[in-house]
Amino acid sequence: AQTVTQSQPEMSVQEAETVTLSCTYDTSENNYYLFWYKQPPSRQMILVIRQEAYKQQNATENRFSVNFQKAAKSFSLKISDSQLGDTAMYFCAFMKQWAGNMLTFGGGTRLMVKP
Amino acid sequence: DAGVTQSPTHLIKTRGQQVTLRCSPISGHKSVSWYQQVLGQGPQFIFQYYEKEERGRGNFPDRFSARQFPNYSSELNVNALLLGDSALYLCASSLEGVHTDTQYFGPGTRLTVL
Repeated sequence: AQTVTQSQPEMSVQEAETVTLSCTYDTSENNYYLFWYKQPPSRQMILVIRQEAYKQQNATENRFSVNFQKAAKSFSLKISDSQLGDTAMYFCAFMKQWAGNMLTFGGGTRLMVKP
Repeated sequence: DAGVTQSPTHLIKTRGQQVTLRCSPISGHKSVSWYQQVLGQGPQFIFQYYEKEERGRGNFPDRFSARQFPNYSSELNVNALLLGDSALYLCASSLEGVHTDTQYFGPGTRLTVL
């Protein structure tokens, strides 16, 4: 079974600054996918970024980028130029390849962006 | 296009009762998954359905069941409700239900069991 751990229950950052959210995972699989999802107070889970484990290059999506360290089983999310709208719960998630699309989520990090 | 929709938005039940939650996927999506999110925790996988067949099941008791209809909408049923079933129930849809898909989540149904 896979486990996903987010060690920072809460974080805060000033608007326009950069923040990094941590995630570690445990798996015996070699082929898998990692995700960061955002859940604002509206409750709707939104995909932020996705990383394929076979790709060495770190994924980026505008202000969001990841630092994927496969050997260390670490997958952190960096948010640059933080905006007030980035305030939300952030969940790291794992998906095995060729096993449907079941997601295993971490416990989440609550991010507050302060003006 | 409409996103994933779920009904009802909120629901209050008492212990021992039964509840049915509904999900309509994005048009063209054939796979629906259900997740339970207890307050303060990450979502936990309950079921995945694709083309009306169960493709995956999480570690939940038999009191939880689901089905998918020919129009790809889905229902989640929970029998003999316990206080611990109080949670946000999320539905997610995707095209084919495989690892290359992007899953889109609905706003959830908040279930409170008294």
